Amino acid sequence: GAGVSQSPSNKVTEKGKDVELRCDPISGHTALYWYRQSLGQGLEFLIYFQGNSAPDKSGLPSDRFSAERTGGSVSTLTIQRTQQEDSAVYLCASSVGPFADNEKLFFGSGTQLSVL
Amino acid sequence: KNEVEQSPQNLTAQEGEFITINCSYSVGISALHWLQQHPGGGIVSLFMLSSGKKKHGRLIATINIQEKHSSLHITASHPRDSAVYICAVNMGTSGSRLTFGEGTQLTVNP
Repeated sequence: GAGVSQSPSNKVTEKGKDVELRCDPISGHTALYWYRQSLGQGLEFLIYFQGNSAPDKSGLPSDRFSAERTGGSVSTLTIQRTQQEDSAVYLCASSVGPFADNEKLFFGSGTQLSVL
Repeated sequence: KNEVEQSPQNLTAQEGEFITINCSYSVGISALHWLQQHPGGGIVSLFMLSSGKKKHGRLIATINIQEKHSSLHITASHPRDSAVYICAVNMGTSGSRLTFGEGTQLTVNP
């Protein structure tokens, strides 16, 4: 596609429910990143994929959070048993490959998750 | 102390003014990014730097690796430049994880 696409753009859920957030990176981009931005906070790294593998998942805040990537393309971030503190904008970004000179990140427009 | 610090946190300028936003970091990095986040939340990557200086239109980014410092300059500022500007760094050799500054809220008044 022309850009990084995320869906849904907004998700309201009840505490305790599971949610899935989707990211379609730019075609051909092998590197994919998930970040989140809580209200009034800075951006926080969650996980990095290179192809289908996740060499760095150190930013996932708890074992309720998981992510997968299939076919070197679409990625899904799953949050189980959502809590109110999970409310945030979840941003996906992709780049052509692992960070190297002149590599830029391309961000999706994010999923606003609200846990009631 | 944050590993990436930006200053100022908030900046208000008049249209046409020259603007500088600063970013300092505390450890060795492989690259530094300047990002722009618009009021609607969309994030745009402005620059990625590992050394020297880059220019794109009215925007100029510089980095001094020895001093662990980068600056983003906006010449002839315009109200449409109003946004949050975020500095982010790739620390160490793995390169995969970005550590973000807290951002600088820029408001350019007409």
